[in-house]
Amino acid sequence: DGGITQSPKYLFRKEGQNVTLSCEQNLNHDAMYWYRQDPGQGLRLIYYSQIVNDFQKGDIAEGYSVSREKKESFPLTVTSAQKNPTAFYLCASSIAGAPGTGELFFGEGSRLTVL
Amino acid sequence: QQPVQSPQAVILREGEDAVINCSSSKALYSVHWYRQKHGEAPVFLMILLKGGEQKGHDKISASFNEKKQQSSLYLTASQLSYSGTYFCGTYSGNTPLVFGKGTRLSVIA
Repeated sequence: DGGITQSPKYLFRKEGQNVTLSCEQNLNHDAMYWYRQDPGQGLRLIYYSQIVNDFQKGDIAEGYSVSREKKESFPLTVTSAQKNPTAFYLCASSIAGAPGTGELFFGEGSRLTVL
Repeated sequence: QQPVQSPQAVILREGEDAVINCSSSKALYSVHWYRQKHGEAPVFLMILLKGGEQKGHDKISASFNEKKQQSSLYLTASQLSYSGTYFCGTYSGNTPLVFGKGTRLSVIA
């Protein structure tokens, strides 16, 4: 079955540590996205990529980094510079084209807790 | 800039109807609607494009007023399975979807 796989589902991290969240898709989608979800805040865009080896910052990119070396993969690193990293992280993908005209397919999410 | 959703929360009895509104200060090309159950991924409901018609499937439909940059989601004869948080996502060009803060819908028996 085609879809988006995020791992790990739950992650605990000590303050000052970097952590990488994995996102893999087999939908052959060109565009991939990372959103952060906090209670009562909706989904806020961290980074997005519309093509391999290219990505753009979203509204809350500070303290995060990404790479897009393969079409299927878009890992997100939460660095120690992110001041409040505890959140639910969602990866999504969509067919190429104008990013607002196609359905977003979401992964199951990764819940990061900083101790 | 995030679109504004209203109401923030609503409680319905099975069979009742509900309307969820989404309003933006920007000119919109499209509006998306998603539903998310607790701890799960958001699921796509429908997309409304500028110049398009009102859409719907089963007892959930939506409209898009391009002049007012507003969209409304209509849930008719609600079922227990409709419970969840509903998000609108708006597209104004150049950047990906911007989501509202969500409307929590609870349907009780």
